[in-house]
Formats: sequence, C-alpha cells, structure tokens
Amino acid sequence: SQTIHQWPATLVQPVGSPLSLECTVEGTSNPNLYWYRQAAGRGLQLLFYSVGIGQISSEVPQNLSASRPQDRQFILSSKKLLLSDSSFYLCAWSKNNEQFFGPGTRLTVL
Amino acid sequence: DQQVKQNSPSLSVQEGRISILNCDYTNSMFDYFLWYKKYPAEGPTFLISISSIKDKNEDGRFTVFLNKSAKHLSLHIVPSQPGDSAVYFCAASVDNFNKFYFGSGTKLNVKP
Repeated sequence: SQTIHQWPATLVQPVGSPLSLECTVEGTSNPNLYWYRQAAGRGLQLLFYSVGIGQISSEVPQNLSASRPQDRQFILSSKKLLLSDSSFYLCAWSKNNEQFFGPGTRLTVL
Repeated sequence: DQQVKQNSPSLSVQEGRISILNCDYTNSMFDYFLWYKKYPAEGPTFLISISSIKDKNEDGRFTVFLNKSAKHLSLHIVPSQPGDSAVYFCAASVDNFNKFYFGSGTKLNVKP
C-alpha cells in the first residue's frame, strides 16, 4: 500500500531563516506530487505541483520554491521566511484522479 | 478565482440525525469530485468520490450526490456521530489533469 511521509511535524523558525520541508511517497511510482498550505480557518491553497522529476509548476508567486530531485521526493524551500509564511503545510500525491495527503507540517515563523 | 465553493463555513447537527454538506462548482469541465475529512493538525483523509457519469455514490453512512445541471454536489452522513465532527472539504478535478480544486471547507459539529 502507498504511504506518504512528511517531516518535520512541527517547526518554529525565526524570520529571515531558510526553510526545507521534505515529503516522500512509498508504494507507487511516478506520482503527481503537490504542496498545499492551509492558513488558520482557511481552505487549502495549492502552492506547487509536479508531474515528474525536475518538473515544477507554481500556482502562487511568493518567496517559496519547490524541487523534485527524485521520483517520490518533493521538497518545499525558502531562502528567507516571512511572518506570513506561518501556516500548516500539506504534501499530497495523486494517481488516477485520486489524491492523498500527508500528515502535515505546522510552521510557525517568529 | 474560486472554482469550487462551500458556502457554509459551519454546520451543527444532533447525533443520529442527517448531516448534509453542500458544494458548488463553476467549471463544467470537472468530471471527478471528492470529499475529504480533516481533523485539526492532521492531513485531510479521503472519504468518498464520484465520477461525473454517476449521480450518486454510497459508502456506508456516506453518500455523495451529484447534480451536473446545477453544478452542485452534496455529502450526506446518516446517522451522524460525534466522531464525524471535523472540517469537510470538497474537491474537483478534470480527468488526466494534474490539479485538484478545493472548496474552503465546512466545519461540522455533531452534538451528542
């Protein structure tokens, strides 16, 4: 069966510091991968999606970036975090019209 | 541009009664619809889906209805249980497309 891992589960970072969130999927090959963000009391905002290694589509311009160095690995990064980056970040994978989410990372920028 | 909308931010229902969560969409190209349940500080979990070639799909206490002409879908939970209390998201996609469009969610509270 397929599983999706995200880490860390929680993260507290100072403003201006870099960010690296990692997501890996097991049990499937060549999945579509996604990064979402959910601010408190808000819906899911799609940040990036990838249909293959090195292929990244950005949905919302911001100071975040994504990379897919391996088929089942998706990384969300920032060079300098802003206070407004505080949110709940979710990785997801999809295949055949169904999408499955990881457990999420709670990021607090102070 | 919100292509999938959940106009009720919250819903409160008595245990044992029916919960009806609604979702509207604007893009007639959507042909696959999904419902997710989300607890705080956790990722959404897949509940049930429906293809546009159907108008109803049932799985235990959960039934999803699709009205293509009205561009409307709904999730029925019968009977509602306190453990159903969570935020419910509907989502839509186009076959072989790579993006899923989510509504803003409805927070369901099932009172014992």
